Amino acid sequence: LAKTTQPISMDSYEGQEVNITCSHNNITTNDYITWYQQFPSQGPRFIIQGYKTKVTNEVASLFIPADRKSSTLSLPRVSLSDTAVYYCLVGDMRGGYNKLIFGAGTRLAVHP
Amino acid sequence: NAGVTQTPKFQVLKTGQSMTLQCAQDMNHEYMSWYRQDPGMGLRLIHYSVGAGITDQGEVPNGYNVSRSTTEDFPLRLLSAAPSQTSVYFCASGGSGGYTFGSGTRLTVV
Repeated sequence: LAKTTQPISMDSYEGQEVNITCSHNNITTNDYITWYQQFPSQGPRFIIQGYKTKVTNEVASLFIPADRKSSTLSLPRVSLSDTAVYYCLVGDMRGGYNKLIFGAGTRLAVHP
Repeated sequence: NAGVTQTPKFQVLKTGQSMTLQCAQDMNHEYMSWYRQDPGMGLRLIHYSVGAGITDQGEVPNGYNVSRSTTEDFPLRLLSAAPSQTSVYFCASGGSGGYTFGSGTRLTVV
């Protein structure tokens, strides 16, 4: 399973765009990139998943360069409620499942 | 549609006791898994299952047993509780897309 590296913590202010970058140098052809969000005392919540280029949904955008050795989660106009831990995961989706291995995540603090 | 349901939400055990953490999903997912999360840490995979009758070990399987007799249920058994197993336990289910996590069971072993 590809190992991921992401910043331990980030700070931002309400209304700003936040970009969290994840490095996954050992990513393989069959790996997909998935991001999860976790609030205190809750289970992680799926945010977005992608394989290459750009993916956008109602919550976030995911940018993946051509070499796929990194990815960037972009949260537009964050609010206080976006304060959470964000996890980047990389895994093989063949067979219809992905044995998710979590790293330490990035602790995002949004300030007023 | 309840998603992933975990019971109990809280539990206190004495060292050496055994118990079963329950996990049920109503989304007909083949894949289910159990994680533990210690304070301030990320999640660690204990066991997972890719379908009824099929289970495998994750990163930290020692001290835990699982079985998968139905698609819906994936119980986690602590054989002989130890203080090191004090943690929050999360169950997840899903497929090729995103996974849905339960709300967790907070376990304290004294």
